Amino acid sequence: QVQLVQSGAEVKKPGASVKVSCKASGYTFTSYYMHWVRQAPGQGLEWMGIINPSGGSTSYAQKFQGRVTMTRDTSTSTVYMELSSLRSEDTAVYYCARKGRGCPTCGMDVWGQGTTVTVSS
Amino acid sequence: DIQMTQSPSSLSASVGDRVTITCRASQSISSYLNWYQQKPGKAPKLLIYAASSLQSGVPSRFSGSGSGTDFTLTISSLQPEDFATYYCQQSYSTLVAFGQGTKLEIK
Repeated sequence: QVQLVQSGAEVKKPGASVKVSCKASGYTFTSYYMHWVRQAPGQGLEWMGIINPSGGSTSYAQKFQGRVTMTRDTSTSTVYMELSSLRSEDTAVYYCARKGRGCPTCGMDVWGQGTTVTVSS
Repeated sequence: DIQMTQSPSSLSASVGDRVTITCRASQSISSYLNWYQQKPGKAPKLLIYAASSLQSGVPSRFSGSGSGTDFTLTISSLQPEDFATYYCQQSYSTLVAFGQGTKLEIK
């Protein structure tokens, strides 16, 4: 079945970096874009950026420009999101979610289970 | 950037009620509007895409309408499992944006 499986919870100190993985299975990896969305405790959904697994091109939300890097490994059907210079406000659940390529009106139809990142000294 | 504004932020309703949630975009987004449901501790679930198309497996009591800047999500007869938080999301721009969410609570 189609699924996205994310890496486990992380605890990081302020100023450190975190790299979260999202492994896709059950579909053609390069046929779907992958979004990253985060949710701080008790807050709403915040879009971080998108990667095209086919060519590796990315677009990031302005808020995260310079701090976020999204990459992919087509050999393992895995995308990665790395966030640097962590601060306490980055404490959140981070989700990956796929969206069909060539389908501009499509929504994010499959989501990972979420990865909790806690930033604390 | 395109901003998305939902109303109300919270809503109390009873089982069997008809409920409408509104989402407004800061500029025209044609029909590039999606709706999601999120329950506590769970990932969001896609309900409606392209403003009015029902995602596979989603009950028909959910419907969406609108185009341009104004959109609505309607639940025709609330069921106990529908109490959750709902988000709209625009996909008109590469720089995606979500609304702030509407929490639907039991009256």
